[in-house]
Parts: sequence; structure tokens; C-alpha cells
Amino acid sequence: DAKTTQPPSMDCAEGRAANLPCNHSTISGNEYVYWYRQIHSQGPQYIIHGLKNNETNEMASLIITEDRKSSTLILPHATLRDTAVYYCIVRAHNAGGTSYGKLTFGQGTILTVHP
Amino acid sequence: ETGVTQTPRHLVMGMTNKKSLKCEQHLGHNAMYWYKQSAKKPLELMFVYSLEERVENNSVPSRFSPECPNSSHLFLHLHTLQPEDSALYLCASSQDASGPYEQYFGPGTRLTVT
Repeated sequence: DAKTTQPPSMDCAEGRAANLPCNHSTISGNEYVYWYRQIHSQGPQYIIHGLKNNETNEMASLIITEDRKSSTLILPHATLRDTAVYYCIVRAHNAGGTSYGKLTFGQGTILTVHP
Repeated sequence: ETGVTQTPRHLVMGMTNKKSLKCEQHLGHNAMYWYKQSAKKPLELMFVYSLEERVENNSVPSRFSPECPNSSHLFLHLHTLQPEDSALYLCASSQDASGPYEQYFGPGTRLTVT
């Protein structure tokens, strides 16, 4: 699976949009971009994923560039409870080999939302 | 109860003890996973089960022994652990091990080996 690069930390004011970038310049055509977050000492929480089109759900929006080499997770109105480590993960979907369900987590971005 | 549950939430064990971690998912999923998260390290995948069959063993030492008796339950049996095995152990499940399915994580078991 392709490697991702994220800034180690970001700050955001409560009520403002949080835009978290991720670079995945070696992404392959069959690899999806996933975002998870982990609030301190809890299990990771799935946020959103996409292949090449922009995606939106009740939690966030995912913007993927046309060349698919980078993406941005947008939390439209950040709250204090959105303070967490955010992980951008690239993962292929194949039914063989050693990639069964494998999510490779990096260090992520520590997002701090302040009042 | 909904989602993915794990018991116990906290465990302290000596190096000569034998203990088991339990995970249960109430989502009707076919795949289950064990991850390890050591202090200041990224999550590491340990094992993957698909329809109760182990399909991935990510070079985990034999002192960790997984068991998946059915698609809803997953165990991690522990014996003769080392202090460096102290970590947060996370269980997850997904609809299937392949395909674009998100994984749902439990709250984790905080393990301390003394």
C-alpha cells in the first residue's frame, strides 16, 4: 500500500473549518484513501473514504485531487470534541496476498480544537 | 449491546501468567482483527480473521495466540509475555476482509505486563 505524509500537528478554532491535508504521491489506481481518527485512549473511529470522487457524509468531506496524489479532510464546523489524532491511510482492495483488510497507520496529525 | 466490545478494559499480568482478551462484535461482520498500539507508536496489525479463518499473521510472536470460534467472537490468548508487550490491544471488525469496507474498532484493552 502507498505511503502517506501528514503534518504532525494542526490547530483550529472552535466553529471554524478544519482542513487536514494528506500527501499520497505513490498511490495506485486501485487504492482508496481512508480517514480515521483516534480520541485519546479510545479505539480509532472511521470517518470517510474515497477512490477518486469527492465524498461527504455527516462527519466530514473528503476532497481528492484530480491526480489523486493528495487529499484533504474537511471538518466543516470543528468542535472541542473533534480534538484527536487523524490518520490518512491508503489501502488497496484485493482478495489475495497479504493485504487482507490491512490498515497501515502512520503517526497521523494531532488536531487540537481550541475555544 | 451494539458495535464492538472488548473485555477486560484493563489488565495487569505477570510474565508467567496466562490470560485471554475477548472481543465481540454485534454488527454481523465476517472479518475481525487484532491490533497493537504501543506508547508513541502507530497501530500495528497483528492478526486478521475472515469467516473464522486466519488470513493474516503479521509476524507476531507465538506468545500471542488468537482464536476465532465464530464470526462474532475473537480471543487473544496471552502467555509468558514480556514487559515490552505492555500496550493497548484493539479489536476491530468489518463486513469483509477485502473490499472497500470500513473497520469498526472496540475501546481496547490496556495491558500492563509486570
